[in-house]
Amino acid sequence: SQTIHQWPATLVQPVGSPLSLECTVEGTSNPNLYWYRQAAGRGLQLLFYSVGIGQISSEVPQNLSASRPQDRQFILSSKKLLLSDSGFYLCAWRRQGVVGYTFGSGTRLTVV
Amino acid sequence: GDSVTQMEGPVTLSEEAFLTINCTYTATGYPSLFWYVQYPGEGLQLLLKATKADDKGSNKGFEATYRKETTSFHLEKGSVQVSDSAVYFCALSDPYSSNTGKLIFGQGTTLQVKP
Repeated sequence: SQTIHQWPATLVQPVGSPLSLECTVEGTSNPNLYWYRQAAGRGLQLLFYSVGIGQISSEVPQNLSASRPQDRQFILSSKKLLLSDSGFYLCAWRRQGVVGYTFGSGTRLTVV
Repeated sequence: GDSVTQMEGPVTLSEEAFLTINCTYTATGYPSLFWYVQYPGEGLQLLLKATKADDKGSNKGFEATYRKETTSFHLEKGSVQVSDSAVYFCALSDPYSSNTGKLIFGQGTTLQVKP
């Protein structure tokens, strides 16, 4: 069966520090991968998606970047965190041609 | 562009009350529609879905019917429980505007059920 792993679960980082959040999928190949952010009291905003290794599309301009170094690995990064980067980050995957996602358990990031 | 609008919350109900959370959408094609649920401190879980007009999705006592004529996908449950307290997200995936499977979410509706 397919599973998605996301870590860490919680993270507290100072302003200006770097960030790396990792997401991996097991049990499938060539998934579509997505990063969403949920800010406090707000809905879900799509940040990045990827349809293949090295292929990254950005939905909104921001302080973050994404990479897909391996087929089932999706990394969200920042060189210098801002206070406004605080939020709940969710990774999701979808098998190509199938409707709907499966989400990871999320990472709660607090920038202080 | 495609969009999803949900009723604002929080919605506060007593146990065994009837629940309706309204969701309407705008899409260029014939989208698939979803309801996701987020329990406190957790990620999102798929609750139910419908892929074409007049389809009814159902799960755990929740139901939603895909109404193309009113562009709606309202979530209903006949008798809510305290354990249903969560944030509910309506979402769509429109293959005519994007072949990447992107989901567009509503802003979420918080449901609080009191004993």
